[in-house]
Amino acid sequence: DQQVKQNSPSLSVQEGRISILNCDYTNSMFDYFLWYKKYPAEGPTFLISISSIKDKNEDGRFTVFLNKSAKHLSLHIVPSQPGDSAVYFCAARPRANFGNEKLTFGTGTRLTIIP
Amino acid sequence: DSGVTQTPKHLITATGQRVTLRCSPRSGDLSVYWYQQSLDQGLQFLIQYYNGEERAKGNILERFSAQQFPDLHSELNLSSLELGDSALYFCASSAGTKTDTQYFGPGTRLTVL
Repeated sequence: DQQVKQNSPSLSVQEGRISILNCDYTNSMFDYFLWYKKYPAEGPTFLISISSIKDKNEDGRFTVFLNKSAKHLSLHIVPSQPGDSAVYFCAARPRANFGNEKLTFGTGTRLTIIP
Repeated sequence: DSGVTQTPKHLITATGQRVTLRCSPRSGDLSVYWYQQSLDQGLQFLIQYYNGEERAKGNILERFSAQQFPDLHSELNLSSLELGDSALYFCASSAGTKTDTQYFGPGTRLTVL
């Protein structure tokens, strides 16, 4: 049962344009969402997060949007740069309490920025 | 650099063997998480320790066990290894508070031949 889904395994975007990565979830108990970026042979690197009490969070070139009614979130990167080429993972977590902080990950989207 | 260290980086072993993966969390972090990433899959949660105590368990096989030591480093023990155990094993750490972020180590690539 895939509770966090990233339906696009890959995405190619021209340098300077906007990259939009999508993520859907099914578990209504998820309360906190994160995006991680992963280069080959490295561990995932935290990018940005959003709590369910918000619908948008921005950090520099990265913005995450959350649509709770649709159980959908997206990561916008603008402008896209060659160094953004990596695999992006969406992750979700239920309301944090004792014993409930594990992350459930999607299968990732490979983003390629074309110079 | 996330501040989380994992050793070894690569491990090649044979079926039936036992291996130990080691993780040192970021300074001050009390929670350690272990995740497994098989080929082209997302990361699957295995187990979490908080300040030396087991806190949560995922789909961890009975052949696998973990512990967290008083200095807060953690070890993941994998025994009676099978070909299907070949994967990337990641450790993450967090402060252990409500909305804290998990920071990941570089991973250990395990190959079982």
